[in-house]
Amino acid sequence: DAGVIQSPRHEVTEMGQEVTLRCKPISGHDYLFWYRQTMMRGLELLIYFNNNVPIDDSGMPEDRFSAKMPNASFSTLKIQPSEPRDSAVYFCASSPRPTGVTGELFFGEGSRLTVL
Amino acid sequence: AQRVTQPEKLLSVFKGAPVELKCNYSYSGSPELFWYVQYSRQRLQLLLRHISRESIKGFTADLNKGETSFHLKKPFAQEEDSAMYYCALGDDNYGQNFVFGPGTRLSVLP
Repeated sequence: DAGVIQSPRHEVTEMGQEVTLRCKPISGHDYLFWYRQTMMRGLELLIYFNNNVPIDDSGMPEDRFSAKMPNASFSTLKIQPSEPRDSAVYFCASSPRPTGVTGELFFGEGSRLTVL
Repeated sequence: AQRVTQPEKLLSVFKGAPVELKCNYSYSGSPELFWYVQYSRQRLQLLLRHISRESIKGFTADLNKGETSFHLKKPFAQEEDSAMYYCALGDDNYGQNFVFGPGTRLSVLP
C-alpha cells in the first residue's frame, strides 16, 4: 500500500484564487482527517470524516474553507478565495478505527500551499 | 477541553547525551498519550503510545498522571534522532478527541 496520497505536493497561487487539495486515504480506513500545520499554531485539526460523513468541522477556520468526501477513496479540501494567511502545509490522515485510544493516524506527505 | 503543551520549541543536545522532551497535558477525562515524530522529508508517524509501555528506537515515555506529564526520554541521543516531535492526547472512550501539542524540534549535534 502506498499509504495516504496527497496532491499537489506544492501549490503556489495568488490571493483570491481557488485552491483544491486532494487526498486518497488508505483502503479500508473509515476515518479521514485534514490538518493544517503552521509555525505559529502547529498542527490543527480542520475536519474529520467517518464513513464519508463529516463529523466535526469545528476546526475549519471560516466559510472560505470547505471539505468533501464523495466516496471512501477520495477527499478534497477547497479554499475559495485563498488568502496569504492560508499559507501552510495541509496534511491528510486516515485511520482504521477511532483514534482516541489507538492514536493510530497515518499521514500523507502533505501539500505545501503558498498564497502570494 | 483537552490541551497539550510542549514548553520547548527547540532542543539541542550533543550526540551521546541524554535527551528529554517535555510534554504536559490537561484533560478531565481518561487520557491516552502518544508521541509522533516527523523526520526531515518524511511523513509524520506514530512513535510510541503510553498504553503499550514500549521502547521504540531507544525512546521511552512514562505517563505520570499526578504531574500530568508524558515526557519522552532517551539515554543516549543519536544524530538520526534529529526531528520534530509532537506529543498528542486522546481519550480512552473510543472517541475522536485527539489533540497535538505544538511540537519540539530536536537537534542532535555531532
